[in-house]
Amino acid sequence: QTVVTQEPSLTVSPGGTVTLTCSDTTGEVTEGNYAHWIQHKPGQAPRTLIFSASNKHSWAPARFSGSLLGGKAALTVSRVQPEDEADYYCLLFYSATQVWVFGGGTKLTVL
Amino acid sequence: VQLQQSGPGLVKPSQTLSLTCVISGDSVSSHTAAWNWIRQSPSRGLEWLGRIYYRSKWYHDYAVSLKTRMTINPDTSKNHFSLQLSFVTPEDTAVYYCARETIGLTTKDFDYWGQGALVSVSS
Repeated sequence: QTVVTQEPSLTVSPGGTVTLTCSDTTGEVTEGNYAHWIQHKPGQAPRTLIFSASNKHSWAPARFSGSLLGGKAALTVSRVQPEDEADYYCLLFYSATQVWVFGGGTKLTVL
Repeated sequence: VQLQQSGPGLVKPSQTLSLTCVISGDSVSSHTAAWNWIRQSPSRGLEWLGRIYYRSKWYHDYAVSLKTRMTINPDTSKNHFSLQLSFVTPEDTAVYYCARETIGLTTKDFDYWGQGALVSVSS
């Protein structure tokens, strides 16, 4: 079973920039993994911000962007706002087994 | 598109957990979608459970750790899909979500999520 790894927690100041990363045990996240970045706040349904590595939903603020960088998927949040405090999950697809695997999530604190 | 989960909030250990996700604004038989179940337990993050989709016939994919206990089925007459998880333990206590995965030529997108249904496993 492939394991997907994210930073357990990150802290950023309001107005700052932070990058969350997502890697797996293959060592190479590619476009074929269709990486998603999903925001989850307590008491709310999860919300997909980025799909297929770098495609952004219309409901995602412009300060969020996704990319593939150095064999990892990355979510960059610029000009961080207090409302960006949430858990962020990476989700990867594995075509050989036709399964999706979540990372453990990154708790983003805005302080 | 709206997804609404329903099912009992409490299940006894060793019994079968059953949940339904009713789809509005799309069809469970859509050729451009897959229908997924995901859960989040108090101690763990999000966990993908499985999905179904229709491409001239029905396909099912399940998480390796759960495939021996899990079944996902469509109901085309009611436009919903269901999850059954057998032999539950307290570890299966979680909020269960259904979600649509839109599948394009070069993209996949979990674009719509249900609000979630809390299921507790306890005697």
